[in-house]
Amino acid sequence: AQTVTQSQPEMSVQEAETVTLSCTYDTSESDYYLFWYKQPPSRQMILVIRQEAYKQQNATENRFSVNFQKAAKSFSLKISDSQLGDAAMYFCAYRSAGYGGSQGNLIFGKGTKLSVKP
Amino acid sequence: DGGITQSPKYLFRKEGQNVTLSCEQNLNHDAMYWYRQDPGQGLRLIYYSQIVNDFQKGDIAEGYSVSREKKESFPLTVTSAQKNPTAFYLCACRDRDNQPQHFGDGTRLSIL
Repeated sequence: AQTVTQSQPEMSVQEAETVTLSCTYDTSESDYYLFWYKQPPSRQMILVIRQEAYKQQNATENRFSVNFQKAAKSFSLKISDSQLGDAAMYFCAYRSAGYGGSQGNLIFGKGTKLSVKP
Repeated sequence: DGGITQSPKYLFRKEGQNVTLSCEQNLNHDAMYWYRQDPGQGLRLIYYSQIVNDFQKGDIAEGYSVSREKKESFPLTVTSAQKNPTAFYLCACRDRDNQPQHFGDGTRLSIL
């Protein structure tokens, strides 16, 4: 079974600085997707970024980028120019490729709480 | 606007009572999911459904039941057999393509 591990329960960053959140996963599959979700105090789950395992290029969305190391099974999230609105819980998630059976189900890490200091 | 709606936002349950959480989507997505979130934990899968009239147990299905009579609706019943129901419940849906899951805004369930 696949597992996702986020080893940093809490992180803190100064406004305008850069922070990196860690995520490792375990799988025997070769084709899968990885996601970072943000959950602000409103509790809404917001997709931040996604990465297809077959793509070697790291995904980027504005100030958010990932460092995807497939061999090391590592998927870290870098937030540049941190803003107060970035304060939230961040969840790393894994999903098998495909649709049938349990494929398509998300497997979540336990989350990292990010604080942004003004 | 297309989306996924959960109701109510807050729900209280008395001892021995069953309660039902609503989840409705107008995105025409095939798959729907229910997750439970506890403090310090990630989301854990309760039930999922990939097609109407079919659903599967997730990792923590005991004490819960679901139905999928319509494509757009996937209600979750928290039964009296669920001894620790206090949690935040999230519903999600996904189409058959490789797009991510869309989440509702959640329901907070508490015990009276």
